[in-house]
Amino acid sequence: ETGVTQTPRHLVMGMTNKKSLKCEQHLGHNAMYWYKQSAKKPLELMFVYNFKEQTENNSVPSRFSPECPNSSHLFLHLHTLQPEDSALYLCASSQDPGLAGRIGSDTQYFGPGTRLTVL
Amino acid sequence: AQTVTQSQPEMSVQEAETVTLSCTYDTSESDYYLFWYKQPPSRQMILVIRQEAYKQQNATENRFSVNFQKAAKSFSLKISDSQLGDAAMYFCAYQGGSEKLVFGKGTKLTVNP
Repeated sequence: ETGVTQTPRHLVMGMTNKKSLKCEQHLGHNAMYWYKQSAKKPLELMFVYNFKEQTENNSVPSRFSPECPNSSHLFLHLHTLQPEDSALYLCASSQDPGLAGRIGSDTQYFGPGTRLTVL
Repeated sequence: AQTVTQSQPEMSVQEAETVTLSCTYDTSESDYYLFWYKQPPSRQMILVIRQEAYKQQNATENRFSVNFQKAAKSFSLKISDSQLGDAAMYFCAYQGGSEKLVFGKGTKLTVNP
């Protein structure tokens, strides 16, 4: 496997279900991100992890719970979601900005996404 | 807060022709990066090209080039010799003094044979 992978690619769940999205990066990066992509809206940053530490929580509801056990893996745990949470969830990774020396030199690489449908 | 605007929700181009996608942004920062990402129907977001704001020279990657106008806060993408495989959503993105990428809403590009 190369790059950034995400599983599952498609997920349908009821509002009372609990599920998890998984992201894995094989690029040796130290920063990982979750984005939400809804129709006709810009990508929304949800969470940022640097060296396994959460550095950004972009006012995301608590029904979304991220977990980063190591710098290669990132999870998004879902529970009691709402239909409006249906979207494409994208994971990305990048080299740590501090190590890279400059902002922007840590180009983000994206996974293929998980298409989530909440019934 | 920084914003990125892509004023063209959809564009189309004939195969082998040239097309330009528009992007403007708003920021008070002087040091930042700008990106164009491509998202084909398979959904994998791919980096097309990036520009460092402190560099005056426009970035170029094969058939892809940008027209970066810092004073006007404009960052357009030109695709030359368009190919069927160029059909995708194209997103303009800004990155300033944090890890956060700010994206535009995207432009859907159709390439007609």
